[in-house]
Amino acid sequence: EAGVAQSPRYKIIEKRQSVAFWCNPISGHATLYWYQQILGQGPKLLIQFQNNGVVDDSQLPKDRFSAERLKGVDSTLKIQPAKLEDSAVYLCASSSLRGAGNTIYFGEGSWLTVV
Amino acid sequence: ELKVEQNPLFLSMQEGKNYTIYCNYSTTSDRLYWYRQDPGKSLESLFVLLSNGAVKQEGRLMASLDTKARLSTLHITAAVHDLSATYFCAVPLIQGAQKLVFGQGTRLTINP
Repeated sequence: EAGVAQSPRYKIIEKRQSVAFWCNPISGHATLYWYQQILGQGPKLLIQFQNNGVVDDSQLPKDRFSAERLKGVDSTLKIQPAKLEDSAVYLCASSSLRGAGNTIYFGEGSWLTVV
Repeated sequence: ELKVEQNPLFLSMQEGKNYTIYCNYSTTSDRLYWYRQDPGKSLESLFVLLSNGAVKQEGRLMASLDTKARLSTLHITAAVHDLSATYFCAVPLIQGAQKLVFGQGTRLTINP
């Protein structure tokens, strides 16, 4: 079974530039998550989708971050304009059922450095 | 606000020894997750603990959950170098939901 795919794996941009990350979840997984992991910390949820609808985006900095999952499969996360403090790993994850004790599978992450 | 705290944050131990990582959380939860992360890699699911008193074992790792004490433990038996990694516990913010709040992580180094 293919895992959660993310791209690009690494990105270096200057502050105030924009960047977009792409995620393809495990086939059949209705729930998709974007997490931000700052070096030395645990991941923090940015946004959760159920199919193509947003379940929770309470911790998404909406003035600069946006995310979409138009057809209920792939998702993109965009940052515009980027700040230095956005340097982090952006992890996409997926799971098969919302509200159940199912495993949440993580991709390998997109590493962002803002200079 | 849900807080998830791990103890210790850093652990260096010798091969062959036993040790335990603790995960405390501040509000009621019906389940708890343990993940492993190798440097530069993503999170690998280790255990999903679904009820009070749940115990799961995989190789040299054993996890348990006490929902009354709001405590989970990850016990390492006869540690080997391959277990060196950062270990995270995570708890759902709301019972029945899947918005996870992660602990700070425990960086485990096992020396030959």
